[in-house]
Order: sequence, then C-alpha cells, then structure tokens
Amino acid sequence: AQTVTQSQPEMSVQEAETVTLSCTYDTSESDYYLFWYKQPPSRQMILVIRQEAYKQQNATENRFSVNFQKAAKSFSLKISDSQLGDAAMYFCAYRSIRDNYGQNFVFGPGTRLSVLP
Amino acid sequence: GAGVSQTPSNKVTEKGKYVELRCDPISGHTALYWYRQSLGQGPEFLIYFQGTGAADDSGLPNDRFFAVRPEGSVSTLKIQRTERGDSAVYLCASSLRGAYNEQFFGPGTRLTVL
Repeated sequence: AQTVTQSQPEMSVQEAETVTLSCTYDTSESDYYLFWYKQPPSRQMILVIRQEAYKQQNATENRFSVNFQKAAKSFSLKISDSQLGDAAMYFCAYRSIRDNYGQNFVFGPGTRLSVLP
Repeated sequence: GAGVSQTPSNKVTEKGKYVELRCDPISGHTALYWYRQSLGQGPEFLIYFQGTGAADDSGLPNDRFFAVRPEGSVSTLKIQRTERGDSAVYLCASSLRGAYNEQFFGPGTRLTVL
C-alpha cells in the first residue's frame, strides 16, 4: 500500500518570502500522479498543483512550483512571494494511474502554513 | 450551483442513532468520492463511485457504513448505530473519469456523535 509522509506539521513564512513544504511517499508503482491540495479554515480542499510521475519536468502554477525527485520519492512544494491568503493546511496526495481503484488516492497528514505580515 | 455541495454542514447526533449525509456533485462528473477527515489528519478514503455503482468501497471501516448513488448524481452516505469514534468531517468530491482529473471537494459535513 502506498503511504505519504509530510514531516513538517507546521511551518511559517514571512509575507513575500519563499517557503518549501516537504513530502515523501512510498510506492512500488512506476507511474502515478502526485498532488498538492490546500485546505483553508473554510474546509474546502482546493487543488494547488499536480505532477505526472512520467514527466521529468517539474510542474509550475504561477507562484507555486514543485521539486519532484522520482528516485528519492520526494515531492516538495515551493511557494514564492507568499501572501496572507496562502495560510492554510497543505496536503500532499498520491494517486495510482489505475482509474478504478479509488483507494489509491492517499493523502499525507498535512502541514499547517502560517503567513506572517 | 457550480461546485460540490454537502448537506447538512453540521450534524450532531447521539450514540446509536442513524444519520444520512448528502452530497451533490458537479453536474456531469461521473466519479464521486467520500472521505473522512479526523481532526488534525488528512482525508481518508471511504468509497468511490463511477456512475451509479461503487467501483471501490474498500475504505468503508465496517458494515455500519453504507453509501448509495442511485441515479449517478446525488450520493448519500449512511451511518447506522453511530459511535463516538465516527465523529469527523465527512468530505465528498467529484471529478470527471480518469485518475489525473482534478477532484473538486465540497465543504464537508462535520459529524459529532455525543
């Protein structure tokens, strides 16, 4: 079974600075998808960024980018120019490419990010 | 509405009672997921529907939990003989078919079992 680990329960960053959230995972599969989701206090989970494992190029979405190291099974999220609205819980998630197995969507325990003005 | 909606937003019940939690997915989304999120933890998969059928119900913790999606749209998660350990936020998500597609989450139902 796949597992996802986020070793930083809490992080803080100064507004306009850059912060990196760590994520590692364990899998025996060679193809899969990785996601970062954001959950603000409203509880609504929002997709931040996703990465296909077979793509070597790191995904980027505006101020958000990832550092995907497949051999190390590492998938960190970098937030540049941090804004107050970035404060939330961030969850790393793994999904098997096999569509019919919903269980193969596994979330990490989350990292609570605080943004200091 | 454009997003996934869940009702009720909060539910307080007594131990041993039966509860139903409802999820209205985004129109046209054939895939629907239920997750349970305990305090301070990430969502934990419960069940996945593709259309009307449960493609994967391996995450349901025991036979007190059951979910239906009779017309391939709205889904109801049913919990019988609730226990205090069932207290959590229950999240619903929907997506187009395909593992890469974004799951759109609802705001969740916070269930409290007294």
